[in-house]
Amino acid sequence: EAGVAQSPRYKIIEKRQSVAFWCNPISGHATLYWYQQILGQGPKLLIQFQNNGVVDDSQLPKDRFSAERLKGVDSTLKIQPAKLEDSAVYLCASSAFGTGEKLFFGSGTQLSVL
Amino acid sequence: GENVEQHPSTLSVQEGDSAVIKCTYSDSASNYFPWYKQELGKRPQLIIDIRSNVGEKKDQRIAVTLNKTAKHFSLHITETQPEDSAVYFCALAGAGSYQLTFGKGTKLSVIP
Repeated sequence: EAGVAQSPRYKIIEKRQSVAFWCNPISGHATLYWYQQILGQGPKLLIQFQNNGVVDDSQLPKDRFSAERLKGVDSTLKIQPAKLEDSAVYLCASSAFGTGEKLFFGSGTQLSVL
Repeated sequence: GENVEQHPSTLSVQEGDSAVIKCTYSDSASNYFPWYKQELGKRPQLIIDIRSNVGEKKDQRIAVTLNKTAKHFSLHITETQPEDSAVYFCALAGAGSYQLTFGKGTKLSVIP
């Protein structure tokens, strides 16, 4: 079974620039999550999709972050403009359940904002 | 989201000893409690989980216990091995929200 795919693996940008991350979940998983993991901390949920609809985006800084999941499969997360404090690993996860159970994580994108 | 406190933040044990990590929460509606292991530079991986209608669950050398009254749950690793060295995260989800909230993590070091 193929896992959750993410790209790019690393990204370095300057503040105020834009960046986009891509995620391809495990086939058949209806629920997709984007998490932000700052060094030394636990993952923090940014947004949760069920198929192509948003279930929870209460912790997404909507003035600069946006995410979409067209066709209910792949997803992209965008930051525009980036700030220094956005430096983190952005993890995508998927699940066959919509209840927070059995999440499979991708390898993440490590973002450094200079 | 729900708050979850995790302790200790770091833990060192001798190989073969047991390790225990504890998490406390405040929302009694929380009903799902997983534990994730994250090795350095790698993705978090689910190692064990428990639902609120169960008090304990075991899988070989790892076990999770849940005390709903006291609102805490713990990860127990017996006969620790060097490959158990990693950061362990507790998490929880509530009946009213499907958001999975993570603790801050415990860095476990198993000394050979």
